[in-house]
Formats: sequence, C-alpha cells, structure tokens
Amino acid sequence: DTGVSQDPRHKITKRGQNVTFRCDPISEHNRLYWYRQTLGQGPEFLTYFQNEAQLEKSRLLSDRFSAERPKGSFSTLEIQRTEQGDSAMYLCASSMGLASAYEQYFGPGTRLTVT
Amino acid sequence: AQTVTQSQPEMSVQEAETVTLSCTYDTSESDYYLFWYKQPPSRQMILVIRQEAYKQQNATENRFSVNFQKAAKSFSLKISDSQLGDAAMYFCAYRSYGSSGSRLTFGEGTQLTVNP
Repeated sequence: DTGVSQDPRHKITKRGQNVTFRCDPISEHNRLYWYRQTLGQGPEFLTYFQNEAQLEKSRLLSDRFSAERPKGSFSTLEIQRTEQGDSAMYLCASSMGLASAYEQYFGPGTRLTVT
Repeated sequence: AQTVTQSQPEMSVQEAETVTLSCTYDTSESDYYLFWYKQPPSRQMILVIRQEAYKQQNATENRFSVNFQKAAKSFSLKISDSQLGDAAMYFCAYRSYGSSGSRLTFGEGTQLTVNP
C-alpha cells in the first residue's frame, strides 16, 4: 500500500508523559500536514511542511507540541507533558506540488488517549 | 478567518434514494476551493468531490454532485442512488486559493446513515 501511513494507530499514556507520533507521506508528495480531530468534530489544522520547512503553525499548536520533518520525508509530532485535553485523533495528510488544488491524502490517524 | 458550518449533525436515507447534505461557509476571499470529504467508521478520510469557486458549473463525480451558490456561500452535496457503502461522516471543507492556501478548514460533519 503506498498511501499515507501513521504509527502508532493507538496510544494510551498517562498525564504528564511525552508521546511521539510518526507520519510517512506518499513518497512523491512534498507537502505534509498535521490535523487534530476530537470526537464528533471536524479536523482542525495544526501545522504543515513543504519539504523540510515548517511553513505554518496554528495557534492550537502550543509550546508543548513540536513537529519535525528532518529530511523532507517522514514527519514526527511530539507532545510533551500530555494533558487530558490532548486526547484526540491526530491525522496526517500529504499533497503534491504547490497549487492549492492538489488533493490532500489522509492517513488513518493516531488515536491518543491520555488517562 | 474562514468558517464552515454544517447544520445537520445526522441524516438518514433509504438505499437507492437521494439525500442532500448542507454546508455554508463564511469568507471574504473571492477565489477558493470547497471540498466534501467522507470518513467511514474507523477508516481514513477520502475526497469525494471538489469545487473551484471561479467555476460556475457545479462539480459532478458519478453519483455525487454539488450545488454551489457563491453569493449565498452555500455548498451542498447531493448523493443519488444511495448505497450502503455511502454510510459515513461527511465533512465540508474550505481552502484558500493560491500557494499561500494550505490548510483545510472543516465543518463539524454530518453523520449519514443508509437504511436497507
């Protein structure tokens, strides 16, 4: 399967712990996006990369959140000192090229539960 | 900032019938894209249909079509000949035009049930 993959698919952690998620985009895609989706809501934009450059960050991305895409391929999203409010589905998407029209392809998501 | 509103949290339709999902949005931009995404249970989100705001013709993809009313800022999705596999959460989304437009802004979603 050559779609967007995310790992892990589920993560349960205790409040205060750090967690890291990984996203592998479709190989030829140069843009990579992170979204957060809480139960019953639509996804909310967190940040995006063009190649290895992080070009935009949402105000939702507090200083406890950090994202990287070191070689312009896979990306990681780290949450430090997790809080119960961080419980959500974290979605990764990728797209090709610069034009806004290019479709964003979504991964299956990582479901985070903070206890 | 742009906002997207889906006023129907849940909708149901009989198999083979037609259903319309509503979406309104607010923007001060003149050029943009609108999308409908489908999110089946425990499966990843996929694009159903896309509409460019500068196009007057409504987009159509097989059984899926949109009614785009730019002045009214309305973007509804019509599903004809509904199938059991259409059951999913449907999200309306907005994206700005041009290379500066990247993020998708989603509505709250409409849960569609298809009854056999």
